Amino acid sequence: EPEVTQTPSHQVTQMGQEVILRCVPISNHLYFYWYRQILGQKVEFLVSFYNNEISEKSEIFDDQFSVERPDGSNFTLKIRSTKLEDSAMYFCASSEIASGQAFFGQGTRLTVV
Amino acid sequence: AQSVTQPDIHITVSEGASLELRCNYSYGATPYLFWYVQSPGQGLQLLLKYFSGDTLVQGIKGFEAEFKRSQSSFNLRKPSVHWSDAAEYFCAVATPGTNAGKSTFGDGTTLTVKP
Repeated sequence: EPEVTQTPSHQVTQMGQEVILRCVPISNHLYFYWYRQILGQKVEFLVSFYNNEISEKSEIFDDQFSVERPDGSNFTLKIRSTKLEDSAMYFCASSEIASGQAFFGQGTRLTVV
Repeated sequence: AQSVTQPDIHITVSEGASLELRCNYSYGATPYLFWYVQSPGQGLQLLLKYFSGDTLVQGIKGFEAEFKRSQSSFNLRKPSVHWSDAAEYFCAVATPGTNAGKSTFGDGTTLTVKP
């Protein structure tokens, strides 16, 4: 069964450093999403992406965040200057059509020290 | 805007007992509804989903959920809980249409299973 793949599974970074989280969505999917889950809290929507541009973003997704689809298979989330409060599990998701269900990856746990 | 409420933060049941986890949503029409399960430190696993049609949906691992429009609820049930069901459970809602992949999650319910 096709699945969304995220790498790395766990990343530790120093405060102030840039970090890039990588995702390979399901191959025929056109809509891509990032979510965040701070430890012990609920999953929160960050951003949706379609046709090489952001279609919607939440208040969390400020100027420190950016997304990119650098090639035909990868979808990345960049945090420019990480803060301690960016420590969380980050989930990538993709869907085939706008009205379809999103499929989630296993997540990348980001720890900022 | 859509929202989801999971009234129970923590539920404890005995192994073999039945389970019901509550979920209420706020949305003007019929949304897409999902239940996910998450083990500690792990990703989200989809248990079941409701888009339309039969209001009783069957999922994996013996779970089912019933959509009740009149109560704006989508409660998750299992007739006999196993110790391996201990996990965090999230209800989520999405808006049918152009951005259905954007889900709003509830705060989650932690399930503990007593031997």
